[in-house]
Amino acid sequence: DAKTTQPPSMDCAEGRAANLPCNHSTISGNEYVYWYRQIHSQGPQYIIHGLKNNETNEMASLIITEDRKSSTLILPHATLRDTAVYYCIVRVGGAQKLVFGQGTRLTINP
Amino acid sequence: DGGITQSPKYLFRKEGQNVTLSCEQNLNHDAMYWYRQDPGQGLRLIYYSQIVNDFQKGDIAEGYSVSREKKESFPLTVTSAQKNPTAFYLCASSPRLAGSYEQYFGPGTRLTVT
Repeated sequence: DAKTTQPPSMDCAEGRAANLPCNHSTISGNEYVYWYRQIHSQGPQYIIHGLKNNETNEMASLIITEDRKSSTLILPHATLRDTAVYYCIVRVGGAQKLVFGQGTRLTINP
Repeated sequence: DGGITQSPKYLFRKEGQNVTLSCEQNLNHDAMYWYRQDPGQGLRLIYYSQIVNDFQKGDIAEGYSVSREKKESFPLTVTSAQKNPTAFYLCASSPRLAGSYEQYFGPGTRLTVT
């Protein structure tokens, strides 16, 4: 019941922008889009989240389409340390759990 | 340094033994969570707690027990009733249960039961 669809894997060159897409066509009006990443054998790391507007923080930017059916996570200048599995999650604000799907395995190449 | 600590990082037990995994946070967060992750899979919620002395079952609570006697601590016991206990266990916390708060995760404990 992940409610999101992501490509299983992507590659990006070091120093370039990494753009990770996510489809969430059944998203409801009160559901947020969250992005986490997990480096092998570590706990997931929160990256960013948004409801309707585009968001930016020190790690990434989140672009949400106007109909909210899809979004893109942008890592502006990817480094080798950004190699990880990236999870896109939709979550109601009051929900107690995060439902992780399969995610996208992003590999940053030197 | 604020954060969530889990110990130990690796844990080995014989089948039939109960084992308790530690989770401590100094973020002053009200809500705490336990997830389980199997190889190549996403996370599944075991238990969660939104306040001291209160906790709720998640999707896969059978064979597990928890306590929340202190705000900072949320230990998980894997009992002998858990059929497939070998997994990567992750503890998380958030400021509140409700609202758009993100969850912060600990480094995880990898439990192997033979």
